[in-house]
Amino acid sequence: DTGVSQDPRHKITKRGQNVTFRCDPISEHNRLYWYRQTLGQGPEFLTYFQNEAQLEKSRLLSDRFSAERPKGSFSTLEIQRTEQGDSAMYLCASSSGTGGLETQYFGPGTRLLVL
Amino acid sequence: GEDVEQSLFLSVREGDSSVINCTYTDSSSTYLYWYKQEPGAGLQLLTYIFSNMDMKQDQRLTVLLNKKDKHLSLRIADTQTGDSAIYFCAERYNQGGKLIFGQGTELSVKP
Repeated sequence: DTGVSQDPRHKITKRGQNVTFRCDPISEHNRLYWYRQTLGQGPEFLTYFQNEAQLEKSRLLSDRFSAERPKGSFSTLEIQRTEQGDSAMYLCASSSGTGGLETQYFGPGTRLLVL
Repeated sequence: GEDVEQSLFLSVREGDSSVINCTYTDSSSTYLYWYKQEPGAGLQLLTYIFSNMDMKQDQRLTVLLNKKDKHLSLRIADTQTGDSAIYFCAERYNQGGKLIFGQGTELSVKP
């Protein structure tokens, strides 16, 4: 399967714990995006990388959130000191963005539940 | 500002056409997209349209774009029960390529 993969698919944690999610993009896609989707809403942009560089972060991304893409391939999203409001589906997408038409392909998501 | 709006629900009978509507605000958007999401799954790209086009047809899907009114629609011909899902329109924000999504339209297809 050469699509975008995310791990884990589900995560249940207690408030105050740290969690880390991983995203493996489609091979050779240089752009990688993180979105968050809460129940009944569309995905909201969190941050994106072009290769290793993190180029934009949303205001939604508080200082408890950090994302990395150390070698320009897979990416991790860490949430420290989780809160119940962090419960959501975290979606990763990748694209071969070079300007013009850019198609983002989404992974299956990681569903986080903070108790 | 960035805002994309969609009606929340649509119910149709199998075999009918479905029309899902969307309005957006960023007049500088270059591409507009339609994604489909089935329960518990990620988003599947259905189709897209470039902002200088009025219409795009792809098998059972027809996208209409009224750039003056910032209105986008997705028509699904001969709707099937397998088309039941949530449909999101999204505009590609001109800076950086992030997508701004609507809140989704839940399509229910009754046999």
